[in-house]
Amino acid sequence: DARVTQTPRHKVTEMGQEVTMRCQPILGHNTVFWYRQTMMQGLELLAYFRNRAPLDDSGMPKDRFSAEMPDATLATLKIQPSEPRDSAVYFCASGLEVVGLQYFGPGTRLTVT
Amino acid sequence: QKEVEQDPGPLSVPEGAIVSLNCTYSNSAFQYFMWYRQYSRKGPELLMYTYSSGNKEDGRFTAQVDKSSKYISLFIRDSQPSDSATYLCAMSAGAQKLVFGQGTRLTINP
Repeated sequence: DARVTQTPRHKVTEMGQEVTMRCQPILGHNTVFWYRQTMMQGLELLAYFRNRAPLDDSGMPKDRFSAEMPDATLATLKIQPSEPRDSAVYFCASGLEVVGLQYFGPGTRLTVT
Repeated sequence: QKEVEQDPGPLSVPEGAIVSLNCTYSNSAFQYFMWYRQYSRKGPELLMYTYSSGNKEDGRFTAQVDKSSKYISLFIRDSQPSDSATYLCAMSAGAQKLVFGQGTRLTINP
């Protein structure tokens, strides 16, 4: 049963600390997306990759967020320094571009105090 | 105005009722329409997928797209308590960049 995996599932950290979230996309998928979900804003697209190349990161606060795909089996989202307003659930999704569908991971619940 | 509008609810109905969930959109370039179901503290799960206009049925679920009205719907027949979740509509113009609605929180009461 192929699925997207994310680690950690929960993270509590203090303001100013670096946070790294990891995602393993479904094997064979060539697109990877990072989303942030809050009650107020819903699901917001932060960044996405095609064939490991970043295509759009316009949804990401550039000064503190960064997203990378060091290889086809790993995507990372980093926040440095973290702020309380970054508290949210961060989802990774992967898909096959030709089909146009996205499959979501279980999310990382981030709390910044 | 948001590109995709969805009533956040909450919507509460008795078990066995027919549920209708809807989204409107403003971008006429949208061609791909999806519905995701999200249980509490879980990731969104792809439920239905429709390309362009028309209906699609899968068991108790029916997705409808009316591009002329820029309106999409999801119907759930014979609703069950296990259908209680948040339902998100999503759509794209084909570049894989999905635009999501706010989500409608649905509760089915036994």
